[in-house]
Amino acid sequence: GAGVSQSPRYKVTKRGQDVALRCDPISGHVSLYWYRQALGQGPEFLTYFNYEAQQDKSGLPNDRFSAERPEGSISTLTIQRTEQRDSAMYRCASSLFGTTSGGITGELFFGEGSRLTVL
Amino acid sequence: SQQGEEDPQALSIQEGENATMNCSYKTSINNLQWYRQNSGRGLVHLILIRSNEREKHSGRLRVTLDTSKKSSSLLITASRAADTASYFCATDGNTDKLIFGTGTRLQVFP
Repeated sequence: GAGVSQSPRYKVTKRGQDVALRCDPISGHVSLYWYRQALGQGPEFLTYFNYEAQQDKSGLPNDRFSAERPEGSISTLTIQRTEQRDSAMYRCASSLFGTTSGGITGELFFGEGSRLTVL
Repeated sequence: SQQGEEDPQALSIQEGENATMNCSYKTSINNLQWYRQNSGRGLVHLILIRSNEREKHSGRLRVTLDTSKKSSSLLITASRAADTASYFCATDGNTDKLIFGTGTRLQVFP
């Protein structure tokens, strides 16, 4: 597609339910990132992939959160047994370049986000 | 956790004025990037500056980097109402993940 696509755009769920958020990155992009953004704050790093390999998941808040990118393209962020504190905007971004020892050398392209509300 | 902090948190100016935003970060970096976000939309990349660069220009944007002070500044010259947005710096902290600051909310009045 032309840009990073995230779905659903809005998700309202009851506490205790599982949710899956999907990210379809720009075709051919190597790296894919997940961030969480609270209102009025900057994006908070959750995890990222190079191709299908999850390189860093240090930002995932707890073991209820998981992510996968099985074929190196579409990624799913899953939150199990949702809690009200999980309510936030979840943003996905992709980058043409993979990460190297030289750091992040490419720009990130962000999707419009998935707004999760846990009642 | 967030690596950087932008200053000021909020800035209001008139069209035609220059806007300066500052970013301080904590660890050494390879690169620093600036992003813009309109009213809850996705972030848009503005400019990347490498740790061995001191200044970079892109149109009306000027970015400086002082690695000894662990700080960067973004200058928007001749601002327009359309520049109203939140601006974030992001650093890689010598790692392979991009960490964002807390942002500066810029309001440009026509």
